[in-house]
Amino acid sequence: ILNVEQSPQSLHVQEGDSTNFTCSFPSSNFYALHWYRWETAKSPEALFVMTLNGDEKKKGRISATLNTKEGYSYLYIKGSQPEDSATYLCAFMTGDYKLSFGAGTTVTVRA
Amino acid sequence: EAGVTQFPSHSVIEKGQTVTLRCDPISGHDNLYWYRRVMGKEIKFLLHFVKESKQDESGMPNNRFLAERTGGTYSTLKVQPAELEDSGVYFCASQWYSTDTQYFGPGTRLTVL
Repeated sequence: ILNVEQSPQSLHVQEGDSTNFTCSFPSSNFYALHWYRWETAKSPEALFVMTLNGDEKKKGRISATLNTKEGYSYLYIKGSQPEDSATYLCAFMTGDYKLSFGAGTTVTVRA
Repeated sequence: EAGVTQFPSHSVIEKGQTVTLRCDPISGHDNLYWYRRVMGKEIKFLLHFVKESKQDESGMPNNRFLAERTGGTYSTLKVQPAELEDSGVYFCASQWYSTDTQYFGPGTRLTVL
């Protein structure tokens, strides 16, 4: 069983503020880390696939960093907007290609 | 390009009945995965197909669950007989090659009464 931890479990952000949250994963047998954005009753939307230590990826106002040696990834949202409200899931992949998910960080952006 | 589709979106059945869930992956994706999220918990892996072959079914809870992928296209997941603890959201994901993004469908919400 692979322990993938996400913190905090939830957070509230004022519109226009920036925020970040963490995904912790085992530092051994690392293959890739995936980030998804999920709104209930919709398909989880793929944000990033990160494979190399030190990777930084960006998509619009959302960016992510990866540290495979210490086993963590940060996801940043710059200038939060109401449409950023969602649950952000990280998933750790080992060489067998299946994803082990964290419980998610639910972000609520207040106008 | 059409995404991953799943049918039905919701299913409510009684304990002991049979339910079949369907997943249509993105065209050309050889890899197909099933995952499940039970109430308030993490999404968990069930199994992985490569074309029509089961690559890994280590996450299947028990022999009441049967997955097939005839012809390497769509996949079905049958639960027979359903138990209360099978309630949850069943996701399907498809992938072109093993290190690529896994694209998820919207899920089937199964409620067993």
